[in-house]
Amino acid sequence: DAGVIQSPRHEVTEMGQEVTLRCKPISGHNSLFWYRQTMMRGLELLIYFNNNVPIDDSGMPEDRFSAKMPNASFSTLKIQPSEPRDSAVYFCASSPLGGGAHEQYFGPGTRLTVT
Amino acid sequence: AQSVAQPEDQVNVAEGNPLTVKCTYSVSGNPYLFWYVQYPNRGLQFLLKYITGDNLVKGSYGFEAEFNKSQTSFHLKKPSALVSDSALYFCAVRDFKAAGNKLTFGGGTRVLVKP
Repeated sequence: DAGVIQSPRHEVTEMGQEVTLRCKPISGHNSLFWYRQTMMRGLELLIYFNNNVPIDDSGMPEDRFSAKMPNASFSTLKIQPSEPRDSAVYFCASSPLGGGAHEQYFGPGTRLTVT
Repeated sequence: AQSVAQPEDQVNVAEGNPLTVKCTYSVSGNPYLFWYVQYPNRGLQFLLKYITGDNLVKGSYGFEAEFNKSQTSFHLKKPSALVSDSALYFCAVRDFKAAGNKLTFGGGTRVLVKP
């Protein structure tokens, strides 16, 4: 299996621009998680989906952030408009469903720089 | 609510010496506990987990962890550290009773193994 795939790996954009991050989970995994990692705040859960349905979006920092999962093999995290404080590494992770005993598998991350 | 603490920001150890990375947790029910490792510019990689059964769990790369219910701890250990073990280590917990399947991660402990 190719593992969790994220694109792009690096994104540099100017403040005010729209940014879309993409994720393809491992085939057969029913849960998908979006995280953000910064030096100041560490690893933060932004939102997660079970069976393509958003379950908990309490970590989404502002209305500028939105996430979708139109099907079992694709998810997007969008920031519109972007701000310099959004600069971070964004990780997508997936896991099988089933009582929460399963580990999550992380993608390589997207390093976002907003200037 | 579920929470996890990693009391040490950094652990320094000489190559060949034992390595311990501390983790304590808080849950209302029984815990599912996980350790992950993150190498520079990479996503988190699963090392090991405790779900039930034997309190001593063995994982990848020679790591093991001991679940101690009375002390609510799940410390990560390796008998003989390698320079290549230098990385960022995360402990995570999920409350068995909690709805949903999200993990709560600790702040991470940076391990530096010196030759």
